[in-house]
Amino acid sequence: SQQGEEDPQALSIQEGENATMNCSYKTSINNLQWYRQNSGRGLVHLILIRSNEREKHSGRLRVTLDTSKKSSSLLITASRAADTASYFCATDPNTGNQFYFGTGTSLTVIP
Amino acid sequence: DGGITQSPKYLFRKEGQNVTLSCEQNLNHDAMYWYRQDPGQGLRLIYYSQIVNDFQKGDIAEGYSVSREKKESFPLTVTSAQKNPTAFYLCASSIDPFAAAGSNQPQHFGDGTRLSIL
Repeated sequence: SQQGEEDPQALSIQEGENATMNCSYKTSINNLQWYRQNSGRGLVHLILIRSNEREKHSGRLRVTLDTSKKSSSLLITASRAADTASYFCATDPNTGNQFYFGTGTSLTVIP
Repeated sequence: DGGITQSPKYLFRKEGQNVTLSCEQNLNHDAMYWYRQDPGQGLRLIYYSQIVNDFQKGDIAEGYSVSREKKESFPLTVTSAQKNPTAFYLCASSIDPFAAAGSNQPQHFGDGTRLSIL
């Protein structure tokens, strides 16, 4: 079964607003990564947070990780129409040799 | 520029036919992966390879086969045994994630191949 589940499944906001999406996972992890996918394209890596980190920033992105709750959130501030895409979390469990991707959040930013 | 190239972008399969999807990378990555993505779904791992001439089954390997004869190439064959092959197939690579120096590394993705049934 998949390790990660994103919430919400879909999100629609106005340009300039902040977008928050959440990821929950099931087992202990080494790290958690967030990826972006534009329609019909491959995934692009956005940010990685290690299991011993609680928060990380990259430009307009802010990621938090709560290992006690087995959850992470991705915040995109001051959203732009170009941020319209699907966003996936991926976990690297500390057992096994696979990465596990969540089901994704589809973000639409309305100009 | 370094990257991953998948071909073809679109592929059609006839009943009973095997088809092969190409994946080539020039990133000098040891590890390569094949994922299947169904509409509105996440990615599911088909096969992965951490080194040349070695590969492991993922969660949904049935009906698929792979080879890893060269570091740069990891082709995926969708066999006639795969009864529901219509999907978007994504190839990825990374520095071997399970080597100490390569841990916590991201995956780099190609732009996918969309496979449909005729």
